[in-house]
Amino acid sequence: AQTVTQSQPEMSVQEAETVTLSCTYDTSENNYYLFWYKQPPSRQMILVIRQEAYKQQNATENRFSVNFQKAAKSFSLKISDSQLGDTAMYFCAYRREQGGKLIFGQGTELSVKP
Amino acid sequence: DTEVTQTPKHLVMGMTNKKSLKCEQHMGHRAMYWYKQKAKKPPELMFVYSYEKLSINESVPSRFSPECPNSSLLNLHLHALQPEDSALYLCASSLRTGPPQHFGDGTRLSIL
Repeated sequence: AQTVTQSQPEMSVQEAETVTLSCTYDTSENNYYLFWYKQPPSRQMILVIRQEAYKQQNATENRFSVNFQKAAKSFSLKISDSQLGDTAMYFCAYRREQGGKLIFGQGTELSVKP
Repeated sequence: DTEVTQTPKHLVMGMTNKKSLKCEQHMGHRAMYWYKQKAKKPPELMFVYSYEKLSINESVPSRFSPECPNSSLLNLHLHALQPEDSALYLCASSLRTGPPQHFGDGTRLSIL
């Protein structure tokens, strides 16, 4: 069975600095998708970034980028120039290429301090 | 502004009440989802509708009854809930069945 592990329950970062959230996963599949979702206190889950396992190039969305290490089964999220609005729970998620439900990690609660 | 609209935002009900949660999207998405989320925990998938047909039921108790009257609307009918059902209920949609792309703000449900 696939599992997703986020080993940092809580993190904090100063505004304008860079922070990296870690995520590891376990799967025997070769093709799959990985995602980072953000859930601010307003409750709405927002899809931040996605990565297809067959792509070697790391996905980037503005200040958000990932470090995808397929062999190590690692998928970390880097947030550059942190802003107060980045304060949120961040969930890493996995899905098989053939479909099925998202497998979420337990989440990392990120606080950006002024 | 959220593109998936959920009503009500808050709901308090007794264990004998019947209520419904509503979810609406007008993006032409053909897959819609219900999730249950406890505080500081990841969302748990409950149901998936694909092209208005129930495609996934994650062994949810029958006191939760989903309904998809049309491609834009998803309901969750609640009856005889238990205190442990108190949670945030999130609706989501995607163009086709796949990872949810857009989530609503959720309904905070409290069972007395």
